[in-house]
Amino acid sequence: DADVTQTPRNRITKTGKRIMLECSQTKGHDRMYWYRQDPGLGLRLIYYSFDVKDINKGEISDGYSVSRQAQAKFSLSLESAIPNQTALYFCATSDRGPTQETQYFGPGTRLLVL
Amino acid sequence: AQSVTQLGSHVSVSEGALVLLRCNYSSSVPPYLFWYVQYPNQGLQLLLKYTSAATLVKGINGFEAEFKKSETSFHLTKPSAHMSDAAEYFCAVSTNTGFQKLVFGTGTRLLVSP
Repeated sequence: DADVTQTPRNRITKTGKRIMLECSQTKGHDRMYWYRQDPGLGLRLIYYSFDVKDINKGEISDGYSVSRQAQAKFSLSLESAIPNQTALYFCATSDRGPTQETQYFGPGTRLLVL
Repeated sequence: AQSVTQLGSHVSVSEGALVLLRCNYSSSVPPYLFWYVQYPNQGLQLLLKYTSAATLVKGINGFEAEFKKSETSFHLTKPSAHMSDAAEYFCAVSTNTGFQKLVFGTGTRLLVSP
């Protein structure tokens, strides 16, 4: 089984709808991240969490919110989706030990906002 | 602040030819450097990383990269391309102090022809 899973893998929604993307990990890592990928722009950090009680904004957090329900779960919400949030979303994890610099990515969620 | 520049959004090679994907970084502190690969419809997979040990880093699938501080470069190479190497490759940088925030380049798509 995959260490980092994301659900759903694909989602189509309409402008104004609230949606949630979910991420679960079995790596036992404390740190979790949400990124979005847009063609020609690489990956940009939306939010990150060092543990359940420590959540921080990344470079493009406007229009998004997150919830760290447990060490293994980190959800990303779009409160009112808009078309320019159409993108590929990735969850990632890392630990806080000697290899904390390495992030492990999930398979991604492809979101289309109409 | 750290940044990464990947020269060439697309690189085409023939099967068996040398693969060279370029990455230049900017960092005010000693960096950690990474190459990730993304196969179609998949998440990002770590190819290799530089964390201030050996400057020549060997990764998976026959890839390697050399850290050159004087040139602020971390180019990815493979002596002989295989069809299965066709994918998108991302260079990323983070600091080796405090929070390991990854900053990604815009990616290079490698095309391998028979």
